Amino acid sequence: QQQVKQSPQSLIVQKGGISIINCAYENTAFDYFPWYQQFPGKGPALLIAIRPDVSEKKEGRFTISFNKSAKQFSLHIMDSQPGDSATYFCAASIRGGSARQLTFGSGTQLTVLP
Amino acid sequence: EAGVTQFPSHSVIEKGQTVTLRCDPISGHDNLYWYRRVMGKEIKFLLHFVKESKQDESGMPNNRFLAERTGGTYSTLKVQPAELEDSGVYFCASSRSWGSNTGELFFGEGSRLTVL
Repeated sequence: QQQVKQSPQSLIVQKGGISIINCAYENTAFDYFPWYQQFPGKGPALLIAIRPDVSEKKEGRFTISFNKSAKQFSLHIMDSQPGDSATYFCAASIRGGSARQLTFGSGTQLTVLP
Repeated sequence: EAGVTQFPSHSVIEKGQTVTLRCDPISGHDNLYWYRRVMGKEIKFLLHFVKESKQDESGMPNNRFLAERTGGTYSTLKVQPAELEDSGVYFCASSRSWGSNTGELFFGEGSRLTVL
């Protein structure tokens, strides 16, 4: 049973457009929701993260929107650039659990066309 | 500061053989994790070390997998004997701890295992 469901599996966006990736979770004990960015041949790297006490967090062109009641969170990439082309993973973890045992979504391969 | 390093980057073995993957965490990071991504699916947790102790190994698929972290520095993950379904990318990650807090996870580039 996959605890974090991510969609879409792949996404193609024109340069300058908005990329939106969605995730939904089941476990209400999750209290930390990071997004990871992975370039080919590299490991996942933390992009941005949010805790459930806020509904939105913005860092530059990247924004996480969080809906606790719906158990959903999403990543918005504004003014998408070809350099943003990568695989994006949402994740979730429980503060009291094994420190930072992350439960990942299945990933979204983003392609930003020039 | 060096990042998390993993070796080998790619290993191709036949079913029934043994493979050992190595991870060198960032210096000073007490927490070391192994994760695996199989066939384009989600990245799944395998186990977590705090220094040399196994804190949580609930994600280890079966007893063909053995992880060690002698001396609390580098870690090895041995698969013996390897099966076809073990193919995937094995990621190692490390993080700092202070008090009851744990810092960001830093991932290595992964070791791709192909079992033929």
